[in-house]
Amino acid sequence: EAGVTQFPSHSVIEKGQTVTLRCDPISGHDNLYWYRRVMGKEIKFLLHFVKESKQDESGMPNNRFLAERTGGTYSTLKVQPAELEDSGVYFCASSQGGAPPQSNNSPLHFGNGTRLTVT
Amino acid sequence: ILNVEQSPQSLHVQEGDSTNFTCSFPSSNFYALHWYRWETAKSPEALFVMTLNGDEKKKGRISATLNTKEGYSYLYIKGSQPEDSATYLCAFYLWGSARQLTFGSGTQLTVLP
Repeated sequence: EAGVTQFPSHSVIEKGQTVTLRCDPISGHDNLYWYRRVMGKEIKFLLHFVKESKQDESGMPNNRFLAERTGGTYSTLKVQPAELEDSGVYFCASSQGGAPPQSNNSPLHFGNGTRLTVT
Repeated sequence: ILNVEQSPQSLHVQEGDSTNFTCSFPSSNFYALHWYRWETAKSPEALFVMTLNGDEKKKGRISATLNTKEGYSYLYIKGSQPEDSATYLCAFYLWGSARQLTFGSGTQLTVLP
């Protein structure tokens, strides 16, 4: 089966610009997560979709970040306007297993991430 | 504040050595613990998902144990090989917590040939 794919792999933008990251989960995985790793620190949760619904977006840092998952398939994460502190690696992951808490018994399948650099 | 600690932060071992590292997490309302292996320039790859106190899981030369009452998990690698070099991440989920899996900062293992 195809794995989780993310696009682009790298993005360099200037402060104030907009960037949209895309994630295609494994087919049939209802759960889709966005995480990010900033400055080599631990991976931090951003939000979680179950199908097209936002199950938990408590990790979204502020309203400059907008995630969508129209139709319950691929997801986009838009940062507008980007700030310097948004630089980092943004990971998408998907899993089977239904909604929480059962979904947390299923391993996450990660994409290769998008490295975002805001200058 | 929910926190997970991994130790050591980094580790260098010789090829053939066995090694282990620790993941500590809050023990109240435990639900699940995950271990991931993260090689440089790749994506994290799931090793184990553990849910029961006393669980022991094994995958080749890698095994893990879980103690939910005291809040720790050990990951063991027997006869380390250079290809085992990676960052090993643990992540936990507590019942009723608002957030999803909370990741530790990882243990970076380097196996020297």
